[in-house]
Amino acid sequence: DGGITQSPKYLFRKEGQNVTLSCEQNLNHDAMYWYRQDPGQGLRLIYYSQIVNDFQKGDIAEGYSVSREKKESFPLTVTSAQKNPTAFYLCASSPANYGYTFGSGTRLTVV
Amino acid sequence: AQSVTQPDIHITVSEGASLELRCNYSYGATPYLFWYVQSPGQGLQLLLKYFSGDTLVQGIKGFEAEFKRSQSSFNLRKPSVHWSDAAEYFCAVDTSGGSYIPTFGRGTSLIVHP
Repeated sequence: DGGITQSPKYLFRKEGQNVTLSCEQNLNHDAMYWYRQDPGQGLRLIYYSQIVNDFQKGDIAEGYSVSREKKESFPLTVTSAQKNPTAFYLCASSPANYGYTFGSGTRLTVV
Repeated sequence: AQSVTQPDIHITVSEGASLELRCNYSYGATPYLFWYVQSPGQGLQLLLKYFSGDTLVQGIKGFEAEFKRSQSSFNLRKPSVHWSDAAEYFCAVDTSGGSYIPTFGRGTSLIVHP
């Protein structure tokens, strides 16, 4: 079955450490997105990519980086510059404007 | 800039009762409109979407939504709620006309009493 796979489901980061969240899709969707979800704040866009080798900053890109070397993959790196990274991270993909398909999320906690 | 308001943070209903979740948007033209549902610890699932045409849209799991241009609203309804409908519901609005970057509301948490 087609879908989006996010891994790991849970991730723990030490202070000053970079971590990478994986997002893979086999839906042949051109566009991919990363959102951050905090309680009571809905979803906030971090980065998005509409074609391979191109990506754009969203509303809260500071402290994050991405790459889009393959259509299927859109990994997110949470760098040490992100001072408050504890959150639930959601990856999504979209075939133009037909609505998103979301992954099941990665919960990142700073320890 | 577009904005989406979900006025109710929490909604509590009894199982079998009807449900209406409110969504209002701010935008001059007709946007693309979406409703998503999120179970605890999971990603979001698309319930239904409106682009144009018939203003009453049918979705999955027995949900429907009605676009009312005069009220800038896109309220989600279900005639009879089941306990499994307890979840977080998000309205989203896309006015980008091609960039496909929707703005999400803050969500409404649905609690279902037996």
